[in-house]
Amino acid sequence: GDSVTQMEGPVTLSEEAFLTINCTYTATGYPSLFWYVQYPGEGLQLLLKATKADDKGSNKGFEATYRKETTSFHLEKGSVQVSDSAVYFCALSGARSNDYKLSFGAGTTVTVRA
Amino acid sequence: EAGVAQSPRYKIIEKRQSVAFWCNPISGHATLYWYQQILGQGPKLLIQFQNNGVVDDSQLPKDRFSAERLKGVDSTLKIQPAKLEDSAVYLCASSHEAGTGETQYFGPGTRLLVL
Repeated sequence: GDSVTQMEGPVTLSEEAFLTINCTYTATGYPSLFWYVQYPGEGLQLLLKATKADDKGSNKGFEATYRKETTSFHLEKGSVQVSDSAVYFCALSGARSNDYKLSFGAGTTVTVRA
Repeated sequence: EAGVAQSPRYKIIEKRQSVAFWCNPISGHATLYWYQQILGQGPKLLIQFQNNGVVDDSQLPKDRFSAERLKGVDSTLKIQPAKLEDSAVYLCASSHEAGTGETQYFGPGTRLLVL
């Protein structure tokens, strides 16, 4: 079935460092790809998404590009802040018609130190 | 715009007891999802509703779990009887429609501990 594999954490960075979280997927069709974020004490919220190959999603300084040839959707941010400390989830949906549930990776915990 | 509401936020029960969770989606959202998130894992879909009809319940353990969405708005998820392995966070999400690329909006979750 459809699945997502993302980089295991935890990841600890210093402020202003570059962040990359790798995400690859397996799907039989043409999924949409998402990054969701869960800040401490809060619920899951959408960070960014891309719905077709070569699309780039961006939000809050984060970017990810939908790469069909490498089945990847890596998350990047050039200069992280303490407020970026959170758990990040890569997810896909809609690989097959009428199948719109989100299939999530296991999550990557990111801690940014001042 | 109000977000997805869930209650209770926390619940502790003993095994073999029953428990129910409630979800109120964003107004106007036709699609509602229940996910189970076990500690250290990503959320996993339990059931999806489109209005008041079930679209996907293939991963719902139907011998103990049940869910309904009366009048296509609020939804209730029930576990009876609970097992130790049901300890998890139960997340409700809603989207305007069911479609590829549709954003799902999540509630704060209900954290269940089964002793």
